[in-house]
Amino acid sequence: AIQMTQSPSSLSASVGDTVTITCRASQGIRSDLGWYQQKPGKAPNLLIYAASNLQSGVPSRFSGSGSGTHFTLTINSLQPEDFATYYCLQDYNYPRTFGQGTKVEIK
Amino acid sequence: EVQLVESGGGSVLPGGSLRLSCAASGFTFTNYWMTWFRQAPGQGLEWVANIKGDGSQNYYVDSVKGRFTISRDNAKRSLYLQLNSLRAEDTAVYYCARDGNYHDGRYYYDVFDVWGQGTMVTVSS
Repeated sequence: AIQMTQSPSSLSASVGDTVTITCRASQGIRSDLGWYQQKPGKAPNLLIYAASNLQSGVPSRFSGSGSGTHFTLTINSLQPEDFATYYCLQDYNYPRTFGQGTKVEIK
Repeated sequence: EVQLVESGGGSVLPGGSLRLSCAASGFTFTNYWMTWFRQAPGQGLEWVANIKGDGSQNYYVDSVKGRFTISRDNAKRSLYLQLNSLRAEDTAVYYCARDGNYHDGRYYYDVFDVWGQGTMVTVSS
């Protein structure tokens, strides 16, 4: 199975900051990657698909980039509602695999 | 309104069985791959299994192969996950999700755009 390694595992940031989360795949996965946000007690919410496509209804401060083995999720001008855990998910092959998550906390 | 609602979770002894259900509404169910995910308490997300719209293909994570069975009844707009030979490590919230599936003209990409609220499965003696 493809291993997805996210970094950092957690970070502290302030409202208005720019945050970057990285996901590395153990092998090339083209652009077959999504990013999901999860808040405590809630189901995940899709932010980005196919590495860089913003899901409808998601604020434009979220952006994704990368291909092959290295991907990034960037959140510009962090808002209070963005404090959550973020996961990458590869859909290049089966089984689909997630990164271990990045918890974004308030500084 | 597009919606998925899971049910069927509960507490079960190791070695026991459960059947999870996911009721879909607000979209043409048969047009979509459907997927089960799970999340153990305090842990990350795990993809469990998926099934094609017509039920003709499915895939599983290795840890559940031979124990879990995914199925669907398109007439009832429902997705199922039969959990057999349950182990303590199967304890988790189980989510169903719709795969909106994006095609860029060359490749297909998963787009898990609709999720249920989750149902808790606890395996303990």
